[in-house]
Amino acid sequence: QSALTQPASVSGSPGQSITISCAGTSSDIGTVYNYISWYQQHPGTAPKLLIYGVYKRPSGVSTRFAGSRSGNTASLTISGLQAEDEADYYCYSYTTTSTYVFGTGTKVTVL
Amino acid sequence: HVQLVESGGGVVQPGGSLRLSCAASGFTFSNHGMHWVRQAPGKGLEWVGLIRFDGTIEKYADSVRGRFSISRDNSKNTLLLQMITLTAEDTAVYYCAMEDVGRLDSWGPGTLVTVSS
Repeated sequence: QSALTQPASVSGSPGQSITISCAGTSSDIGTVYNYISWYQQHPGTAPKLLIYGVYKRPSGVSTRFAGSRSGNTASLTISGLQAEDEADYYCYSYTTTSTYVFGTGTKVTVL
Repeated sequence: HVQLVESGGGVVQPGGSLRLSCAASGFTFSNHGMHWVRQAPGKGLEWVGLIRFDGTIEKYADSVRGRFSISRDNSKNTLLLQMITLTAEDTAVYYCAMEDVGRLDSWGPGTLVTVSS
């Protein structure tokens, strides 16, 4: 159950696009299951579901957030970066042992 | 709307035990798997374990298997996390979360567990 690998930090200017990668294995990200989700966490608050099923957005989540997967790596792209997007982001995946695993987390800074 | 509220956190000595509760409301509790997730101070999220909607299946992270036990009372809309043989590495905010098809749809605000002498 090793954590999925994410960059520790990513930054961008307002209006720019950034992409956060989430590298796993064929036992988690790369499985046939589409149980990959992303969470946003602001300091001192509980995480919030941002993306599920690899690329689906819950109602109320901005279309500026987009998820994708290629092989054993999932990605979250934030377009039109805004100050309120400054937060920590985590990927999350089901695994072939019927457990789940989080990514190491990425701190997004808006310059 | 969905509401999850954890309780039972506090300070416990190394080697001690603690039981956390999560009170659920605003949804049909017995229809959903439930998870525990923890976050050590200044660290990332760590999946702790899950229990199936009917309580028949539990799964745990390697780091807690054999020491932590998850249970639920669907008649009381309550999720429990029994923790024994606690160490400093178990110090964290513990969140309960409602699962919906492989995702954690709703989270509680968390409860802090501090393992210290």
